[in-house]
Amino acid sequence: GESVGLHLPTLSVQEGDNSIINCAYSNSASDYFIWYKQESGKGPQFIIDIRSNMDKRQGQRVTVLLNKTVKHLSLQIAATQPGDSAVYFCAEKSGFQKLVFGTGTRLLVSP
Amino acid sequence: DAGVIQSPRHEVTEMGQEVTLRCKPISGHDYLFWYRQTMMRGLELLIYFNNNVPIDDSGMPEDRFSAKMPNASFSTLKIQPSEPRDSAVYFCASSNRDGGYGYTFGSGTRLTVV
Repeated sequence: GESVGLHLPTLSVQEGDNSIINCAYSNSASDYFIWYKQESGKGPQFIIDIRSNMDKRQGQRVTVLLNKTVKHLSLQIAATQPGDSAVYFCAEKSGFQKLVFGTGTRLLVSP
Repeated sequence: DAGVIQSPRHEVTEMGQEVTLRCKPISGHDYLFWYRQTMMRGLELLIYFNNNVPIDDSGMPEDRFSAKMPNASFSTLKIQPSEPRDSAVYFCASSNRDGGYGYTFGSGTRLTVV
């Protein structure tokens, strides 16, 4: 039979808009979370992280929000640029030094 | 620092052949991870090492896969014999003891088995 590939949710935005990428994590015991950006032909690149004792952390143009009650993580990108087009992964640390990655969201930014 | 260095960048081999992927972690990082990325399964952790010792190899798909880390600056992932379903991008990543900045990934090796 025909194989089915991994379906990546896609978020399409216009340049200059703010983007919000969401992630539901699985393990309530996870204590560390990271967002990665992966451009075509490259390895995942660290964007921002947050520990479970925080609910918000800001970087340059990016903000990560953590809601432990509903096990939800989000990445906000302000003033999205074409160079932000990539696949974004959330990852949770479950156990010692073992990150578990989500399936990813594709962000498409139109000029 | 040159980051995590993987070689080769691309590998095309015939089914049944042995394939060896190589990785040089960031100096001072004592954790090393091998991941496989496919469209079907996304990013999968295959195995990771701490201080050159394999800690968790539960993600290694079968006995055809083996990984070694003979010293702190070098690791290999070997597939013998290779099969078409092994075609994927294989990433190596390294991390320091605290892991406070997550993992640093290499650029990956794209493996095609024909």
